[in-house]
Amino acid sequence: EDKVVQSPLSLVVHEGDTVTLNCSYEVTNFRSLLWYKQEKKAPTFLFMLTSSGIEKKSGRLSSILDKKELFSILNITATQTGDSAVYLCAVDQGAQKLVFGQGTRLTINP
Amino acid sequence: ETGVTQTPRHLVMGMTNKKSLKCEQHLGHNAMYWYKQSAKKPLELMFVYSLEERVENNSVPSRFSPECPNSSHLFLHLHTLQPEDSALYLCASSQELWFPSYEQYFGPGTRLTVT
Repeated sequence: EDKVVQSPLSLVVHEGDTVTLNCSYEVTNFRSLLWYKQEKKAPTFLFMLTSSGIEKKSGRLSSILDKKELFSILNITATQTGDSAVYLCAVDQGAQKLVFGQGTRLTINP
Repeated sequence: ETGVTQTPRHLVMGMTNKKSLKCEQHLGHNAMYWYKQSAKKPLELMFVYSLEERVENNSVPSRFSPECPNSSHLFLHLHTLQPEDSALYLCASSQELWFPSYEQYFGPGTRLTVT
């Protein structure tokens, strides 16, 4: 059975801290790995990773994929209260099939 | 502002009720999707429509009945639901079915509570 597992499920840190969110996967078909940020309701796209070892970066957020060990991490440096959200990891199996993890609920306290 | 809208945003219904969720996309996309997000569970794909034809049905119980009258509108008809069906139901759309999955645009969701 295809599965995507995220850890931790919940994380509370102080503003300014650096956090690392983890995503591991076991799937039959892999095209890419996606990270989303879900504030309130609608998930919004952050990164798409297809190749191992190549870091994607956007401001204070960065992500990398390890296709040998079947995991990805999402780093957020100098966290701000606006980073508080649920972060979703998903594997794209092609043909619009996404297998999602449970999400990590990140809370940034001022 | 998202180009995908969903109504209602919140819905409380009894187990014997019949209700419908509506999704509308203003992006000119040809593919639309229903997802279910239960508490502490991964987002689950329920149905996929491409050009108004259903192309995916992930073993969803028949008490959920989708309808796609045109490429801009998607409905999810609900009847005789169970309390465990309480969840956030998200609609999404993409340009075409074979476009990269990260180009799915999500709506704000309908929070459904079954009593």
